[in-house]
Amino acid sequence: DAGVIQSPRHEVTEMGQEVTLRCKPISGHNSLFWYRQTMMRGLELLIYFNNNVPIDDSGMPEDRFSAKMPNASFSTLKIQPSEPRDSAVYFCASSLAHGYGYTFGSGTRLTVV
Amino acid sequence: GIQVEQSPPDLILQEGANSTLRCNFSDSVNNLQWFHQNPWGQLINLFYIPSGTKQNGRLSATTVATERYSLLYISSSQTTDSGVYFCAPETSGSRLTFGEGTQLTVNP
Repeated sequence: DAGVIQSPRHEVTEMGQEVTLRCKPISGHNSLFWYRQTMMRGLELLIYFNNNVPIDDSGMPEDRFSAKMPNASFSTLKIQPSEPRDSAVYFCASSLAHGYGYTFGSGTRLTVV
Repeated sequence: GIQVEQSPPDLILQEGANSTLRCNFSDSVNNLQWFHQNPWGQLINLFYIPSGTKQNGRLSATTVATERYSLLYISSSQTTDSGVYFCAPETSGSRLTFGEGTQLTVNP
């Protein structure tokens, strides 16, 4: 298996632009998670899906952030408009079911200038 | 929410040494995972360990859920063990709360 695949690996954008991050979970995994990592706040959960349904989005910072999972093999995290404070590494992870460990993707390093 | 405290925050070892990393958490948990973030930023799942002890090569982990702590033991450390080790208890649903991590440096 190719693991959890995220794209792009790096993204540099100007403040105010829309940013879309993509994630392909491991085939057969039914839970998908979006995390953000910063020096100040560490690793924090933004949202997670179970069987393509958003279960907990309480970590989404504000209305500028949105996430979708249109099918079992694809999810997006969108920031519109982006701000410099959104600069971070965004990780996607998936797991088989409750009771199994997470597998993380390689992350997307986002820089908003 | 749950509080997660990892110790020590930083650890420097000579290759071949052994070490124990500790994770204390403030609430009952459904399970707990340990991760290694290598110097390139990749997060690798080491253990899924709600209770008891598990071993994987030179690494082992023990979770005592009733006392709200978990330990990660690294034996015969190698330079490739360098990186940050995170403990992440799971509370409601599948939510993981990550500690601040232990930064491990293994010198040759």
